[in-house]
Amino acid sequence: EPEVTQTPSHQVTQMGQEVILRCVPISNHLYFYWYRQILGQKVEFLVSFYNNEISEKSEIFDDQFSVERPDGSNFTLKIRSTKLEDSAMYFCASVGLAGGRGTGELFFGEGSRLTVL
Amino acid sequence: AQSVTQLDSQVPVFEEAPVELRCNYSSSVSVYLFWYVQYPNQGLQLLLKYLSGSTLVESINGFEAEFNKSQTSFHLRKPSVHISDTAEYFCAVSDGGTYKYIFGTGTRLKVLA
Repeated sequence: EPEVTQTPSHQVTQMGQEVILRCVPISNHLYFYWYRQILGQKVEFLVSFYNNEISEKSEIFDDQFSVERPDGSNFTLKIRSTKLEDSAMYFCASVGLAGGRGTGELFFGEGSRLTVL
Repeated sequence: AQSVTQLDSQVPVFEEAPVELRCNYSSSVSVYLFWYVQYPNQGLQLLLKYLSGSTLVESINGFEAEFNKSQTSFHLRKPSVHISDTAEYFCAVSDGGTYKYIFGTGTRLKVLA
């Protein structure tokens, strides 16, 4: 069964360092997402991406964050200068459309745990 | 904006007992509703979904949820739980035309022997 894969599974970094989290969405999917989950808290939407541009982003997704689809398979989340409060589990997700307005569901990866020291 | 409320942060229940995890969402013209399960140190797995049609939806492992439009609820139930059902359960809602999911705060189900 096709799945969304994320790397690394866990990354530890120093505050102020740049981090890139990588995702390989399901191959025929068109919409891509990043969510995050701070430990013990709910899952929060960060950004959605379609047709090589951001379609929507949340308040959390400030100028320190960026997303890119550098090739036909990878979808990356970059945090330019990490802060302590960026420590969280980051989930990538993708969806394919099943006609009309879309009736599929989000497929989530296993997550990348980011620890900022 | 859509919102999702999961009133119970933790639900302890004995093995083989029934359980209901509550989920309420804010009203909207059309919504898609989901339950995701997260086992310890793992990602989010779709448990079941309501997109349209029958208001009662079932999963392959015995869970079911009923979409109740008048009460704006999508409670998750299982008639007899197992130890292996111990996990965090998240209710999520999306507006009909988007995949920007709004998640609830989660309910930790702990099944006791």
